Amino acid sequence: DAGVIQSPRHEVTEMGQEVTLRCKPISGHNSLFWYRQTMMRGLELLIYFNNNVPIDDSGMPEDRFSAKMPNASFSTLKIQPSEPRDSAVYFCASSLRQGPAAKNIQYFGAGTRLSVL
Amino acid sequence: AQSVTQPDIHITVSEGASLELRCNYSYGATPYLFWYVQSPGQGLQLLLKYFSGDTLVQGIKGFEAEFKRSQSSFNLRKPSVHWSDAAEYFCAVGVDTGFQKLVFGTGTRLLVSP
Repeated sequence: DAGVIQSPRHEVTEMGQEVTLRCKPISGHNSLFWYRQTMMRGLELLIYFNNNVPIDDSGMPEDRFSAKMPNASFSTLKIQPSEPRDSAVYFCASSLRQGPAAKNIQYFGAGTRLSVL
Repeated sequence: AQSVTQPDIHITVSEGASLELRCNYSYGATPYLFWYVQSPGQGLQLLLKYFSGDTLVQGIKGFEAEFKRSQSSFNLRKPSVHWSDAAEYFCAVGVDTGFQKLVFGTGTRLLVSP
């Protein structure tokens, strides 16, 4: 299996521009997570999808952030407009939800390093 | 609230020496515990997990971890470190909030000296 695939790996943009990050989960997985990693706040869960439906978006920092999962094999995280404080590494993870949820294994992509100038 | 503490931000170990990375958790119910490793420019890779049973769990790359409920700890160990082990290591507790929420520690960066 190719694992979780994220694109692009690096993104440099200017403040005010729209940024779209992409994720292809592992085939057969039914749960998808978006995380943000910064030095100050560590790893934060932004949003969780189950069967393509957003279940918990309480971690999305503000309305400038939005995420979609149009089908089981693709998700996007969009920031519009972007700001310098959005600079971070964004990870996508997927898992197969079965049994007790807390025991599910999340598999992470390699991340997208976003720099907003 | 659930939390994970990794008290060591950086650790330097000589190649071939033993390693122990500390992790303490705070969680009221049965903890499901994980160790992930993040190599430079890479995503997080699962090293090992503890759900129940034997408190000493084996993982990939020669790592092991011991769950100690009395100390609320889940320390990661390796008897002989290789240069390729240099990375950042994250301890996490899995919380069932209707879905699995991973609560991560702040990470420990391992440096391996020749």
